[in-house]
Amino acid sequence: GAGVSQSPRYKVTKRGQDVALRCDPISGHVSLYWYRQALGQGPEFLTYFNYEAQQDKSGLPNDRFSAERPEGSISTLTIQRTEQRDSAMYRCASSLGSYNEQFFGPGTRLTVL
Amino acid sequence: GQQVMQIPQYQHVQEGEDFTTYCNSSTTLSNIQWYKQRPGGHPVFLIQLVKSGEVKKQKRLTFQFGEAKKNSSLHITATQTTDVGTYFCAGPQGGGSQGNLIFGKGTKLSVKP
Repeated sequence: GAGVSQSPRYKVTKRGQDVALRCDPISGHVSLYWYRQALGQGPEFLTYFNYEAQQDKSGLPNDRFSAERPEGSISTLTIQRTEQRDSAMYRCASSLGSYNEQFFGPGTRLTVL
Repeated sequence: GQQVMQIPQYQHVQEGEDFTTYCNSSTTLSNIQWYKQRPGGHPVFLIQLVKSGEVKKQKRLTFQFGEAKKNSSLHITATQTTDVGTYFCAGPQGGGSQGNLIFGKGTKLSVKP
């Protein structure tokens, strides 16, 4: 079937606005991950879920960032009161389980003006 | 905290030359994964190594996991232009959070035809 999809692909927002980034994982994948990737860097872990349970959120930079996966499928990463330093590529990945290979989505390029 | 380091940061080779990238972790890893990211693309899983001293081959690519499970390498024989991209290694954070992958900064490979 289809791979991991993310929307929107590009998001431009003004400082102080809230944004919600969506991830639709591969059907049947138990684990879902959120990363942030700066240009020229490797993906930086933010948080991950098994089913609907958030297993680890230690990578979320501060309390403006939150994520949910209420039905164990689609996930939303929310950034409140965005700041310019939040500008980055946000990537979602999914896997059959947390010990398996991760399949990455195309990412959402967030620009905060 | 745990760190995963890769060298070199950049590698420029002539088509047909060999290429090697090295990955070192500050802590022992339960496993190590390698990903390739083409310019403008997303990370794509290549392989996972689990056993101490493990060696795996995929056509012209050879992956090794060190005896102490703290280092790994990827060797490409007779590079081709299709090998262009950034190669990342990644290992689990540990402490029970298998899904929390720590990525290295990557080695960017360019191949001159």
